Amino acid sequence: VVLTQTPLSLPVTPGEPASIFCRSSHSLLDPDDGNTYLDWYLQKPGQSPQVLIYTLSHRASGVPDRISASGSGTDFTLKISRVEAEDVGVYYCMQRKKFPCTFGQGTRVEV
Amino acid sequence: QVQLQESGPGLVKPSETLSVTCTISGALLTDYYWNWIRQAPGKGLEWIGYIWHSGNTYYNPSFKGRVSMSIDTSRSQVSLKMISVTAADTAVYYCARQEVEVRVAVSGTTPGQLDLWGHGTLVTVSS
Repeated sequence: VVLTQTPLSLPVTPGEPASIFCRSSHSLLDPDDGNTYLDWYLQKPGQSPQVLIYTLSHRASGVPDRISASGSGTDFTLKISRVEAEDVGVYYCMQRKKFPCTFGQGTRVEV
Repeated sequence: QVQLQESGPGLVKPSETLSVTCTISGALLTDYYWNWIRQAPGKGLEWIGYIWHSGNTYYNPSFKGRVSMSIDTSRSQVSLKMISVTAADTAVYYCARQEVEVRVAVSGTTPGQLDLWGHGTLVTVSS
């Protein structure tokens, strides 16, 4: 499964909204259980990745509610309602609907 | 506090075997999948595979049989071996814990979010 993220680079302004898109070559919707197995990770500068969103739209523990995600079977969006300085880094979408797991190329968000 | 700590050789010669270990502290190895993911310098993330506490594994076919993983619950360690390495295998190697996600509608489970990552260990392949 190929995941294509856009844009690859996203300049942002603190306090403003931002969106990152991820498109999958195959549907990530499981027809048996109705779940969509698409996650979002953020790799802050000099750090290892951390999960933000799992199974399409569930926020991981400790993730602020200004970060949200949505999508269909093949098109997904991560939204930051008000960008803060701590949001800079590279965002990756990852699918685990069909193994092997695959990641998007990453979107670099910078202030 | 759960921590994952990768350790590796730092430098491996081409055609030799890369071995990295992840030591888990503060948590049992049971009830999780243990993943290896790598990141070449300046590049994105590449999933290598996972191992279940029972020893069951799933490897990314793109590695063409060069990869194997093992788990030692008594030592709280998971290990990755990669044979016949080339310069293209130069990367930071991360271990990551993966939750078991319940699939309510079908009374089953599936590998879930990668909820905890180590800091990674850089392995350089060079003569």
